[in-house]
Amino acid sequence: GDSVTQMEGPVTLSEEACLTINCTYTATGYPSLFWYVQYPGEGLQLLLKATKADDKGSNKGFEATYRKETTSFHLEKGSVQVSDSAVYFCALSKGLGLTFGGGTRLMVKP
Amino acid sequence: EPEVTQTPSHQVTQMGQEVILRCVPISNHLYFYWYRQILGQKVEFLVSFYNNEISEKSEIFDDQFSVERPDGSNFTLKIRSTKLEDSAMYFCASSAAKTTDTQYFGPGTRLTVL
Repeated sequence: GDSVTQMEGPVTLSEEACLTINCTYTATGYPSLFWYVQYPGEGLQLLLKATKADDKGSNKGFEATYRKETTSFHLEKGSVQVSDSAVYFCALSKGLGLTFGGGTRLMVKP
Repeated sequence: EPEVTQTPSHQVTQMGQEVILRCVPISNHLYFYWYRQILGQKVEFLVSFYNNEISEKSEIFDDQFSVERPDGSNFTLKIRSTKLEDSAMYFCASSAAKTTDTQYFGPGTRLTVL
């Protein structure tokens, strides 16, 4: 079946450091790809998405590019802030339900 | 900004009891979902619901689970006879349309089965 694999955390960075969280997927067909973020005590929020190969999703300084040749959707940010500390989930969808990766906790220190 | 709400935030129940988890989706959304996350594991899709019927369900969503939209605002997940392994965080979500449309998640209900 379909699956999503993302790097295990926690990832600890200093403020203004560069961030990459790796995400790869296994799926037949052409899934849509998503990054969700969960701040403490809150539900999952969509961060960005891409619906076809070579699409780049971006939001709040975060970016991810849908790479079909490598089945990847890595999340990047050039300069992280303390407020970016959260758990990040990569996910795919071919229909209605989302298939999630295991989540990566990011901790940004001042 | 409209949001998905869930009640209660934490539910404790005895094994074998029935529980109902409640969700109020965003008012103009048409698709509704339940997910669960067992502690330390992935968020897993349970079921999607559209036009008063189940659209898609995972293998986890067996006969002990049911969903209902009893009125114009609530969306519920019922677990008929809870087991210890049902202990998890349950998330409700809604979207205006399917597939590529954004799913908006509630804050979750933590279910503890003793």
